[in-house]
This record gives sequence, structure tokens and C-alpha cells, in this order.
Amino acid sequence: AQSVAQPEDQVNVAEGNPLTVKCTYSVSGNPYLFWYVQYPNRGLQFLLKYITGDNLVKGSYGFEAEFNKSQTSFHLKKPSALVSDSALYFCAVRDRDNFNKFYFGSGTKLNVKP
Amino acid sequence: NAGVTQTPKFQVLKTGQSMTLQCAQDMNHNSMYWYRQDPGMGLRLIYYSASEGTTDKGEVPNGYNVSRLNKREFSLRLESAAPSQTSVYFCASRQSATNEKLFFGSGTQLSVL
Repeated sequence: AQSVAQPEDQVNVAEGNPLTVKCTYSVSGNPYLFWYVQYPNRGLQFLLKYITGDNLVKGSYGFEAEFNKSQTSFHLKKPSALVSDSALYFCAVRDRDNFNKFYFGSGTKLNVKP
Repeated sequence: NAGVTQTPKFQVLKTGQSMTLQCAQDMNHNSMYWYRQDPGMGLRLIYYSASEGTTDKGEVPNGYNVSRLNKREFSLRLESAAPSQTSVYFCASRQSATNEKLFFGSGTQLSVL
């Protein structure tokens, strides 16, 4: 079975500092991995995806994610955090056999302080 | 540019009552989904419709039914609401099963007393 885990419920970072939100995955075969962001009282918004190719994936709003096969990780990163980045972030993996099923992590709340 | 629209935004039910959550998308997407979001558990798939005329169970279908009314609309029905169904419900859509990007509505916050 496919799954992702987000080990941190909350991440706190000062504005201007780099941020990392962690995600590890458990899949058989090659993973299809995603990051979504949820702002208060809103639905999730797609940030980026890894299907194949370069291990560093660039996405929306200056975010990027690094795929690491040996560590089975897909951490979300940004070089310089903004207060407006404060939100709930979800890692997800697509089911290997059923393209309609995605498995989401429990979410990490990112707090960026001025 | 509405995207995915869900109604209602908030609802309070008593145990045993029924209700239907509505979802419509204006992006001509083929696939539509219903998720529930519970604290500390992320999103879990309830039902999905890969294309107009088809529906399938997700991870947590018990207590729910769905209808893909047409290409635009996908409704979720609770026939006899239970407190365990208190949650935030999200509808999502995407172009097709091979297009990975999901578009989400803003959610329905449901409380069952």
C-alpha cells in the first residue's frame, strides 16, 4: 500500500529564513508525489509534483521539493519564507494501480513570523 | 472564473437527518472526487467519478452515496447522518486520470449533533 508521512505537525520559521516541510513516502515502484497548500477556509491548491526526472522540482510561489530515493523523502523547501506562506501543507502520493486515488499526509502547519 | 463550487459552506444536522452536498465545476473536467478532512488525518477519499456516468468507492465510503448528475455536477448524500460524519468535506476535480493536478472547492463544514 502507498502512504506518506509528515512527521511534524507544525513548523515555525522567521520571515526571510529558509523553510523545510518534511515528507517521507512508502510506495512500491516509482512514486508519483505531490505537495498541496491550504489557506484558512479554502480548499487545497496544487504546488508541485514529482513524476520522474530531476530530483529537484520547482513549483508555485517560489516553492521547490527535493526527491530523495535513498531516504524515501520528498521535502518541500523555500529559500526565503514570507509571512504569507503561513498555511497548512499536505504531501500526497498517487496510487500506483488506481490513478484516481491519492493518499494524503496528515498535514504540517507552517507558521512564518515577522 | 469559479472553478469548483460547493454548497452549502456550513451545515448542522441532527443524528439521523439526511442531506446532500452539492458540487459543480466549470472547467469541463472529466473526473470528480469527494474527500473528507479530519484533524490529524489529512484527506481521505470517500467516492470518485472517473468520468460522467461512473462512480466508485474510495477509502471511506460507508454511510455515503454519490450521484454524478452530469459532467459538471457531483453530489454527496448522507442518508442518515451520524456524529462520526462530522468533518469538513471537499469536492475536487481534474481534467482526467492522467492529468495529476486536482482542483478543490472551498469545503463544507458539517456538524452532526
